[in-house]
Amino acid sequence: QVQLVQSGTEVKKPGASVKVSCKASGYTFISYGISWVRQAPGQGLEWMGWISAYNGQTSYAQKLQGRVTVTTDTSTSTAYMELRSLRSDDTAVYYCARDDWGSFDYWGQGTLVTVSS
Amino acid sequence: QSALTQPASVSGSPGQSITISCTGTSSDVGDSNYVSWYQQHPGKAPKLMIYEVSNRPSGVSNRFSGSKSGNTASLTISGLQAEDEADYYCSSYTSSTIRVFGGGTKLTVL
Repeated sequence: QVQLVQSGTEVKKPGASVKVSCKASGYTFISYGISWVRQAPGQGLEWMGWISAYNGQTSYAQKLQGRVTVTTDTSTSTAYMELRSLRSDDTAVYYCARDDWGSFDYWGQGTLVTVSS
Repeated sequence: QSALTQPASVSGSPGQSITISCTGTSSDVGDSNYVSWYQQHPGKAPKLMIYEVSNRPSGVSNRFSGSKSGNTASLTISGLQAEDEADYYCSSYTSSTIRVFGGGTKLTVL
């Protein structure tokens, strides 16, 4: 069965960086993309970025361009999301999701990132 | 890259039907066959309910249906049940490989 397992809770100070991992299993990793989606407390879903696990092509939300990078390691079927220059409004649950032409059909369990001084 | 527009809340009684709209532009919803809908219960990860405008993944009840007209997509839930109470989000894939979500709609089953 398809599973996406994310790394654990992070607490960071303003200005720091965070890198969240997402290990995929149960399917051919390079056959799909991975998108990252975040959800601030009490707020809606926000798409952050996408990567093709096949060729590494990426696209990012304009709002986060320059602060976010998504990568993959095909040898371990793992995707990563790094967010830099963290601010308090980056506090959110971060999800990875398998992306099939913009349909997010499987989701990770979510990783809580708290940014606080 | 503005968020798609959804009503903040909708409600209905058990057994009734409700429709949630999702309005975008000619650059996203209006130009895409890749509109999807997600259900999210509190504290849980979202679940795909509809993909490519009107297709249901395996295991999703046929009480859920999707459609699109112009720049507006719609999710209809028929025969409302208590367990349908959740937040619902639409999403669209655009021609520039960008994805965008709607602001979300809270469904209350009265």
